[in-house]
Amino acid sequence: SQTIHQWPATLVQPVGSPLSLECTVEGTSNPNLYWYRQAAGRGLQLLFYSVGIGQISSEVPQNLSASRPQDRQFILSSKKLLLSDSGFYLCACRSSYNSPLHFGNGTRLTVT
Amino acid sequence: EDKVVQSPLSLVVHEGDTVTLNCSYEVTNFRSLLWYKQEKKAPTFLFMLTSSGIEKKSGRLSSILDKKELFSILNITATQTGDSAVYLCAVAWEYGNKLVFGAGTILRVKS
Repeated sequence: SQTIHQWPATLVQPVGSPLSLECTVEGTSNPNLYWYRQAAGRGLQLLFYSVGIGQISSEVPQNLSASRPQDRQFILSSKKLLLSDSGFYLCACRSSYNSPLHFGNGTRLTVT
Repeated sequence: EDKVVQSPLSLVVHEGDTVTLNCSYEVTNFRSLLWYKQEKKAPTFLFMLTSSGIEKKSGRLSSILDKKELFSILNITATQTGDSAVYLCAVAWEYGNKLVFGAGTILRVKS
């Protein structure tokens, strides 16, 4: 079964600083990968998804970007964080479009 | 516009009660609907539904999909305090690659 590694678990960053969150997946190849953000413990907002190396679909225009340099690696970045970027960031993976989505343990980001 | 709407937004019940959570959707090229339970951190998978009228069941939890009326329900019978969580519904479309979640239902079970 697949395992999703996401780090760090918590992060406090000042406004205007850069961000890099990394997600790696084990136990599957050529997965679909996703970044979600959750605010105030409610619904998950889809930020980016990727169906293959170098293929990124962006769902919400914002100052975040994503990259997939390797098959099982997905990175979320920002050049300059805003206060509104605070939230709980979840990386997710599915092995095919007929399989469920599985999540990493998330990164709680606080921008101060 | 594609959307996923869950109701109620929050719910407080007593142990032993039965609850029904709702998820309605408006999407093009629907592929599947998924239910998740989220307690502290990562959501955990409950059910994936692709066909209308076929109930999926796991212990005290069950779910069914109505593709004609575009909704799904999640039932929890004989609720326990451990069922307290946020329950999330997600819909997959556009050939299954994109999954969008509803806002969730916060369930609190009182002892």
